[in-house]
Amino acid sequence: DTGVSQNPRHKITKRGQNVTFRCDPISEHNRLYWYRQTLGQGPEFLTYFQNEAQLEKSRLLSDRFSAERPKGSFSTLEIQRTEQGDSAMYLCASSSEGRGTGHHFGPGTRLTVT
Amino acid sequence: AQSVTQPDIHITVSEGASLELRCNYSYGATPYLFWYVQSPGQGLQLLLKYFSGDTLVQGIKGFEAEFKRSQSSFNLRKPSVHWSDAAEYFCAMNTGTASKLTFGTGTRLQVTL
Repeated sequence: DTGVSQNPRHKITKRGQNVTFRCDPISEHNRLYWYRQTLGQGPEFLTYFQNEAQLEKSRLLSDRFSAERPKGSFSTLEIQRTEQGDSAMYLCASSSEGRGTGHHFGPGTRLTVT
Repeated sequence: AQSVTQPDIHITVSEGASLELRCNYSYGATPYLFWYVQSPGQGLQLLLKYFSGDTLVQGIKGFEAEFKRSQSSFNLRKPSVHWSDAAEYFCAMNTGTASKLTFGTGTRLQVTL
């Protein structure tokens, strides 16, 4: 169990640029989640994959956001035309099936939009 | 609406003192409940979870939590706090088959020596 990894750990970008983040889940986990966390708040659910299928998206996920999980392994989260309001910590988590298994979280990618 | 409330934004305790962090949930049935800890620069780490059975659950690092259905609460406790426990603590629940988590806003714990 090498844990969930995320890259990059930090990203500074100018407003209007596109950014892409990567998440590598624990290899035997078939579920993968993206959350966003802003200062002073708990993580908020963005989207969720089971294997390669994206099964749920939050209303927080505007059209500028897209997530993929090709082949059911790693996942990418892309934000197009970034806005200052996108500045946040983006957390990835993975789990096996079942409600009670709990999430294993990665260290997060901190995005700053200037 | 489903929600998790952590009424205390910030708590300060002395090292060696006992700790209780409050968590209340709003949901029509019994959800699955979790406590996570987040240290600066670290990811969220699962401390403990409850989904059925004994209402007092034991977790890692000496933490425990008690589920009280009548109060819709799932408070986290530790009998003797260590300086290394200083961190942000999040209560979370999941209610659907997708197992996504709904988090509270967190409680920041400061430990004085």
